[in-house]
Amino acid sequence: DAKTTQPNSMESNEEEPVHLPCNHSTISGTDYIHWYRQLPSQGPEYVIHGLTSNVNNRMASLAIAEDRKSSTLILHRATLRDAAVYYCILRGNTPLVFGKGTRLSVIA
Amino acid sequence: KAGVTQTPRYLIKTRGQQVTLSCSPISGHRSVSWYQQTPGQGLQFLFEYFSETQRNKGNFPGRFSGRQFSNSRSEMNVSTLELGDSALYLCASSHLPGTGVEQYFGPGTRLTVT
Repeated sequence: DAKTTQPNSMESNEEEPVHLPCNHSTISGTDYIHWYRQLPSQGPEYVIHGLTSNVNNRMASLAIAEDRKSSTLILHRATLRDAAVYYCILRGNTPLVFGKGTRLSVIA
Repeated sequence: KAGVTQTPRYLIKTRGQQVTLSCSPISGHRSVSWYQQTPGQGLQFLFEYFSETQRNKGNFPGRFSGRQFSNSRSEMNVSTLELGDSALYLCASSHLPGTGVEQYFGPGTRLTVT
């Protein structure tokens, strides 16, 4: 399975933008980049995914490097409800493989 | 549209017993996956089903089994329970299996084995 590298933890102030990085230097041409998050005591929640181009949805934006070896999940205005573990996952024709993710803390 | 539902939400079993967990996917979704989450191992993939066929299986012993019905509902079974099977079992559904498809997770079933 293709691997991703994420910081263990990050901290953000409320109402500030948050940039969550993910490195995936061994990505293959057909791998999609998926982001999920898991809030305390809940199942994982889909956030966004993309292949080559940057993507936006109501929750977040995904910026993908031109060589696709890294990506950044952008939360435009962090709220206390965004405190969660964020997982960056490469998905080929295989099931989702979750790593340890980045634990995001949001400070009021 | 209703989300993924899992029953029961909580379960306590004794070592050696067996257990069956149920998952109802989002209406119209035909692919169901199961995951186990423990503090030590994190989220680990168990099975993936599509159109009543198992497409993928994770690295778990044969005591773990599953199936999918014609209405896309899925069950997983764990026989001869061990203490280490205590975990949160999560079900996720998607329209189809595949790389560019998002999955939607249920709240999970918390299994405690004593």
